[in-house]
Amino acid sequence: DAKTTQPPSMDCAEGRAANLPCNHSTISGNEYVYWYRQIHSQGPQYIIHGLKNNETNEMASLIITEDRKSSTLILPHATLRDTAVYYCIVRQIGNSNSGYALNFGKGTSLLVTP
Amino acid sequence: GAVVSQHPSWVICKSGTSVKIECRSLDFQATTMFWYRQFPKQSLMLMATSNEGSKATYEQGVEKDKFLINHASLTLSTLTVTSAHPEDSSFYICSASTSIPHTDTQYFGPGTRLTVL
Repeated sequence: DAKTTQPPSMDCAEGRAANLPCNHSTISGNEYVYWYRQIHSQGPQYIIHGLKNNETNEMASLIITEDRKSSTLILPHATLRDTAVYYCIVRQIGNSNSGYALNFGKGTSLLVTP
Repeated sequence: GAVVSQHPSWVICKSGTSVKIECRSLDFQATTMFWYRQFPKQSLMLMATSNEGSKATYEQGVEKDKFLINHASLTLSTLTVTSAHPEDSSFYICSASTSIPHTDTQYFGPGTRLTVL
């Protein structure tokens, strides 16, 4: 799987948009960009994933650059409960018989402040 | 979203005993289940991958005879830490992968905190 680079930490004021960058310059054509987050002492939570088009769901938006070498996760209105470590992971999608594991890097520790 | 449960959520045991951790996908069938562990202030590290009905595939450095994995059904996988020692104290997290094409999203359990005295 391609390696990702994320800033170690970021701050965001409550109610503002949190924009978390991720660099994945060696991504392959069949690799997707996944975002997970882990709130302290809990299991990771799936947020969103995409291949090349921008994606949006009820939690966040994912913006992938045209060359796919970087992406940004956007939390439109951050709340205190969004304080967590956010992981950007690049990986292939498995077939119906087997999935692929996730290679967690160090992620970005996001602190949302009042 | 899909729900994955783990039991127990925490366990304290004496050195030399064995501990079993269960991981269940509650509302979907999981083609593959994964076991990770996380030491304090570190990221998750993959221990093993298991497909239902097959032997688990262990990552380098993870002893298969110490960490026994059984994946008997599409909704249940168990991890048994045999002859646990204090250095096995960690946060153990399982995940289950759906078999929906072009999705393959992993859903994680809440984790099990193991403390070996």
